[in-house]
Amino acid sequence: DIVMTQTPLSSPVTLGQPASISCRSSQSLVHSDGNTYLSWLQQRPGQPPRLLIYKISYRFSGVPDRFSGSGAGTDFTLKISRVEAEDVGVYYCMQATQFPYTFGQGTKLEIK
Amino acid sequence: EVQLVQSGAEVKKPGESLKISCKGSGYSFTRYWIGWVRQMPGKGLEWMGIISPGDSGTRYSPSFQGQVTISVDKSISTAYLQGSSLKASDTAMYYCARLASPEYYFDYWGQGTLVTVSS
Repeated sequence: DIVMTQTPLSSPVTLGQPASISCRSSQSLVHSDGNTYLSWLQQRPGQPPRLLIYKISYRFSGVPDRFSGSGAGTDFTLKISRVEAEDVGVYYCMQATQFPYTFGQGTKLEIK
Repeated sequence: EVQLVQSGAEVKKPGESLKISCKGSGYSFTRYWIGWVRQMPGKGLEWMGIISPGDSGTRYSPSFQGQVTISVDKSISTAYLQGSSLKASDTAMYYCARLASPEYYFDYWGQGTLVTVSS
């Protein structure tokens, strides 16, 4: 199985300041078709997960442009340019390049 | 509007069986795979498996293979997650999610079904 490792596990951030979450995979996420199926999800307290980013850097419909994704191969990053109160929650990376799909362990974003 | 609506919370005793459902609407149900994800209390997301509603083809995580069965009734646009011989450690929130293809991401999620296994 591909292991997804996120850092940090907890991120206290001041409102209006940027935040960054790293996700590293135990092997390359480049699929045989040339695409990289790495997505980012947000889970607010008491809510189901919500898709933010897919294929490394594509923002899903309705996701604010303060969220951005980058990376390649085995190293990926989710950035929030200016954290807002509604961004509080747990963020997960997920790979769908190879079965079984796997998630990172989650990064809790909280406000200082 | 795309929606995945899951069945309600369940309370089970150890050793009992369980079948929870996920009904899709607002899209062509057979064109998108449906996945199941477990979240134990206070823990992260675990991918359990996935099914193609078109041909009922399934793939399971090795961690859940043989422990659960994923099925579908395309006539009523509903996917199922079934388990037997439940244990207290099966207590969790279970989510279904639609897999967008060919980009392979879960774009729509059910609201979750809380399963509590307790004597």
